[in-house]
Amino acid sequence: AQSVAQPEDQVNVAEGNPLTVKCTYSVSGNPYLFWYVQYPNRGLQFLLKYITGDNLVKGSYGFEAEFNKSQTSFHLKKPSALVSDSALYFCAVRDGVGANNLFFGTGTRLTVIP
Amino acid sequence: DGGITQSPKYLFRKEGQNVTLSCEQNLNHDAMYWYRQDPGQGLRLIYYSQIVNDFQKGDIAEGYSVSREKKESFPLTVTSAQKNPTAFYLCASNDGLNTEAFFGQGTRLTVV
Repeated sequence: AQSVAQPEDQVNVAEGNPLTVKCTYSVSGNPYLFWYVQYPNRGLQFLLKYITGDNLVKGSYGFEAEFNKSQTSFHLKKPSALVSDSALYFCAVRDGVGANNLFFGTGTRLTVIP
Repeated sequence: DGGITQSPKYLFRKEGQNVTLSCEQNLNHDAMYWYRQDPGQGLRLIYYSQIVNDFQKGDIAEGYSVSREKKESFPLTVTSAQKNPTAFYLCASNDGLNTEAFFGQGTRLTVV
């Protein structure tokens, strides 16, 4: 069975500091991993994905994520947080051999403090 | 502009009524999805369709129905059998296993 865990409901970080939003996953095959961001009362916007290749993936708005197969993790990172990064972040996984649907974590609310 | 359009943005339903949420995409994607979002629960899959005239139940399909008569359209009906329909509903589409999903702006349904 596929599943995604985002262990932190809330992450607070000071503006200019590095940020990390954690994600761990479980799939039976090779994972396809995604990060999305959601602003209030809006749909989800795609940030980045890992399908294969380099474990460090760079995405939109200066975000990056590192795929760690041994720890089954895909943490989202940014070297210097902006107040405008404050939003709800979702990690999602698709099993490479399963059906074509995404399984989402419960989300992490990031607040960047000026 | 290519994208996914959901309508209406806000919808109010009386108890016992069926309501239909619209989702249209002009991205030429084969696969389309409906998710329900509740606070603290992430997104849960209601139904998905990988091709026209075919759809599959997701994790929480009870009380919902869909159709996929056209590639561009995947409407969701919330029936009176859905006992707790108040939620934010998101439609998405994609085109292959390794591609990201594109989301609409959502419909907030409230039972009054």
